[in-house]
This record gives sequence, structure tokens and C-alpha cells, in this order.
Amino acid sequence: DAGVIQSPRHEVTEMGQEVTLRCKPISGHDYLFWYRQTMMRGLELLIYFNNNVPIDDSGMPEDRFSAKMPNASFSTLKIQPSEPRDSAVYFCASSGTGQANYGYTFGSGTRLTVV
Amino acid sequence: KNEVEQSPQNLTAQEGEFITINCSYSVGISALHWLQQHPGGGIVSLFMLSSGKKKHGRLIATINIQEKHSSLHITASHPRDSAVYICAVLLDSNYQLIWGAGTKLIIKP
Repeated sequence: DAGVIQSPRHEVTEMGQEVTLRCKPISGHDYLFWYRQTMMRGLELLIYFNNNVPIDDSGMPEDRFSAKMPNASFSTLKIQPSEPRDSAVYFCASSGTGQANYGYTFGSGTRLTVV
Repeated sequence: KNEVEQSPQNLTAQEGEFITINCSYSVGISALHWLQQHPGGGIVSLFMLSSGKKKHGRLIATINIQEKHSSLHITASHPRDSAVYICAVLLDSNYQLIWGAGTKLIIKP
């Protein structure tokens, strides 16, 4: 398995533009998490899905942020419109039911810069 | 009080030294993770523990469930071990991770 795959690795965009981050979880994992990492706040959980259903989106900072998981092998995190303060590294992680056995696997992250 | 506390926050040591990073938590957990993050890099899961001790190469992780404490040890440390080491606990009430603040480790040659 190639692990959790995120794309793009780097994204530079202008303020006001729409940004879409993509994640492919590990096959068989039924939990998917989106995290954001900044110097100021460290790692924050934005939203997580179980069996493609959003369970907790209380970490999503604003209505500008939205996440979808149309199927078990794909999720997107969209920011529209983007702002400079959204600049961060966004990580996707997946895990399987029965956490004691499966554990978390993280993607390599998407470094987003909004100018 | 944070639910997951790591110590020390920063650690600088000479190559070859034995390194210990500690993690204490105050919540009920089903597992504890030790993760490594290099500057500008992704997050790598080193260990997941629910009891006892695990060893991988020069890395050793232990957990004491009764005392709610875990340690990560690095033997014969090397400059390439320089990174931020993060302790994260998996809540037994759901599948969320609660993160420690991380320990920044610098190993000097």
C-alpha cells in the first residue's frame, strides 16, 4: 500500500481564490481525518469522517472551509475564498476500526501559501 | 491543564547520548502514539502503544497505563534523530487524537 496520498504537495494561491486539497486514504481504513498545522496553533483537528460520513466538524474554522468524502477512497478539503491566514500545512490521516491494531497513518501534507 | 503534557519542550544533546522524552496524560485512552516530524517534513508514526514496551532499532517506547505515563528513548543518538517528537493519545471515547506540544530534539555531532 502506498500509504495516505495527499495532493498537491505545495500550493501557492492568491487571496480570494478557491483551493482544493485532496486525500486518498489507505484502503480498508474507515476513518479519515483532516488536520491543520501552524506555528501558532500546532496541530488542529478540522474534521473527521467515519465510513464517509462527517462525524465532527467542530474544528472547521469558518464557513469558508468545507470537506467532503464522496467515497471510501477519496476526500477533499476546500477553502473558498482563501485568505492569507489559511496558510498552513494540511495533513490528512486515516485509520481503521479497532484502533489498538490499526493505528493512524498520515499523508505527507499539503503546504498551502495564500498570498 | 493540558490533557497531554510532554517534557522537555526542548532538548539538545551530543551525539551518542541516551535520550528520554516523557509524556503524561490525564484522560482515558485506548492507545498512545509517538510521532516524529522533521523540519518542513511530514509526520511519521513511530509507535502505537496500548501496553508495555516496543522497540524499533534504536528507539524504545514504554507505557504505564496505571500511571498514565509514556516514555520514548533513543539509544546512541545521532544528528539525524534531530526532529520534533510528538506524543498523541487516542481517546477511548472516540477516535480522536489529543496531541502533546512536542519535544524539539537537537543532536549535535
